[in-house]
Amino acid sequence: SQQGEEDPQALSIQEGENATMNCSYKTSINNLQWYRQNSGRGLVHLILIRSNEREKHSGRLRVTLDTSKKSSSLLITASRAADTASYFCATDENGYSTLTFGKGTMLLVSP
Amino acid sequence: EAQVTQNPRYLITVTGKKLTVTCSQNMNHEYMSWYRQDPGLGLRQIYYSMNVEVTDKGDVPEGYKVSRKEKRNFPLILESPSPNQTSLYFCASSLVGGGREAFFGQGTRLTVV
Repeated sequence: SQQGEEDPQALSIQEGENATMNCSYKTSINNLQWYRQNSGRGLVHLILIRSNEREKHSGRLRVTLDTSKKSSSLLITASRAADTASYFCATDENGYSTLTFGKGTMLLVSP
Repeated sequence: EAQVTQNPRYLITVTGKKLTVTCSQNMNHEYMSWYRQDPGLGLRQIYYSMNVEVTDKGDVPEGYKVSRKEKRNFPLILESPSPNQTSLYFCASSLVGGGREAFFGQGTRLTVV
């Protein structure tokens, strides 16, 4: 079952601009993670935010979580061409290991 | 180096010819799973395993089998592949429990003709 839904489906920006992607989910969660996928390759974990956290930073990444709205956002600051990839949010609904992924946001950063 | 290794990376086969996609991880993870990724549908879980000899169905298990005889290996078996199983497949592993980072293999692009 699909839990997360990313928005927008695709995003095109210039290098140096910020990129914001949103994720909405349906049921209560314990954690939310963001993953990145370079074209056709395996997903790579970026950052995790727990349900009792509102914001988290890692390098150029900033993640927020609003459990009342069942939504999260991923902000990439000062984007680079190398950030071009698809970004997925993933939740584990019941505290177990099974992750449910959204359909992803495809980010294109042009030089 | 910590990694999840899938083989083969690319496979073209014919309808009905049994095939196995192998998956191996070197991180001593208890949890392993298989996903398929299709355009517009995102990643959907096929099967998962919480530990050796413990497997369970994900969201789209029809037409697939798995086994977990050893902790490090989790092969995906298609007994009689059909064209609707043409997809990009990923194996992933993690420690058991919520909030665990999943490590993904590089993917297997399967085409069934």
